[in-house]
Order: sequence, then structure tokens, then C-alpha cells
Amino acid sequence: QVQLVQSGAEVKKPGASVKVSCKAAGYTFTGNYIHWVRQAPGQGLEWIGRINPSGGSTAYAQKFQGRVIMTRDTSTSTVYMELSSLRSEDTAVYYCARERPGRYLDYWGQGTLVTVYS
Amino acid sequence: DIQMTQSPSSLSASVGDRVTITCRASQSISSYLNWYQQKPGKAPNLLIYAASSLQSGVPSRFSGSGSGTDFTLTISSLQPEDFATYYCQESYSTLGRTFGQGTKVEIK
Repeated sequence: QVQLVQSGAEVKKPGASVKVSCKAAGYTFTGNYIHWVRQAPGQGLEWIGRINPSGGSTAYAQKFQGRVIMTRDTSTSTVYMELSSLRSEDTAVYYCARERPGRYLDYWGQGTLVTVYS
Repeated sequence: DIQMTQSPSSLSASVGDRVTITCRASQSISSYLNWYQQKPGKAPNLLIYAASSLQSGVPSRFSGSGSGTDFTLTISSLQPEDFATYYCQESYSTLGRTFGQGTKVEIK
């Protein structure tokens, strides 16, 4: 069955970077884009960007341009999202999700809580 | 960027009620509109894709309609497990996706 398993919770200081992983299983890894979405405490869903695991091409929300890098490792079916220059407003649960060709997110990871505080 | 506006932001309803949530796009997005349900502490769950297609395993009391800029999600008879927050999401943009701000459905 399709699964997206994310890495564990992180605590970081302002100015640091965090790298969250998302390991895919149960389907052809290179066949679907992976998107990253975050949710700050008590807030709504915010799209961060996406990666094509096949060629590695990426697209990022303008808000995160210059601060986010998404990569993938096809040998382990894992995608990574690294966010740098962290600030308190980046405290959120970060989700990865698989996108189907019809452009909808049908499977989601369990979420990774990233807490930024000094 | 495409902006997505949901209304209402929250609503109170009783079990058995018919509930309608609307989502408006700032420009035409054809039928590239998806709906998700999220319960506290859980990842979002896909309900409707392409404006009106029911995701496999989702109860038939959920339905979606609309095209262009105006869309609706309808729950025909609200059940206890439907109390949650609902989000629309556009997938028209080539290089981006935008979510609505969410609609929280609470028990009256």
C-alpha cells in the first residue's frame, strides 16, 4: 500500500536550517510529484513547493524562494525539504503529499513538527 | 498568484443537516479544484478532486460542484464524524498550489 513516512520532530534555533525527509513506498517513486505543505499552530494549510522525483525539477512558492531546497534520492525513494534561516514563524507541522496526474494530493505523510525557538 | 476564498470561515450544524461550503477563485481555474477534510492532529484527507469527482472510499454524502471561479462542497446529511475543517485547493497553476483558509464545521 502507498505510504509516505516522514522523519521525526525537530527543534531548531533561529537562523538554523532544518532538513525533513519523506520516504515513499508502495508505488513507483518516479511516477508522481511530491508536494510539501505546512501548517502553523491553529492556522490553515500553506503550500511550500513540489519536486518531480523523476528528473528532480522543483517549483517553490514565492514566499520561500531562496530559503527552501527540495531534493530527492531515487535509490532510497526519499525526498527532502530543507528550509534555512529559520525564524519563529516557521514553527509548524510540515507535510509531504503525493500528487496524482489529475493534480490532486491523494496520500499524505504523517507530518513533522518543526519548532523554532531560542 | 491565484487567491482562494472560502466561506463561511466556520459554521455550526446539527447531525442530519445539509451543509454547503463555498470556495471562490480570483481567476478562472476551470475544474482544477480539490477539497480536503482535516481532523485535529491528522493530515488532510482528499474528499473531492477535479471539482466534482468523489475520491475512492469517501462516503457519497459528500459532493462537489462548480467550474470557473465558483465552487461548492455539500454534505447532504451531516454525520458525527464529519465535524472537521474543510479546505479547498486550486491545482490550475502550473508552478503553484493555493489553499483556501479553511471552514471549520462544529457541532450545534
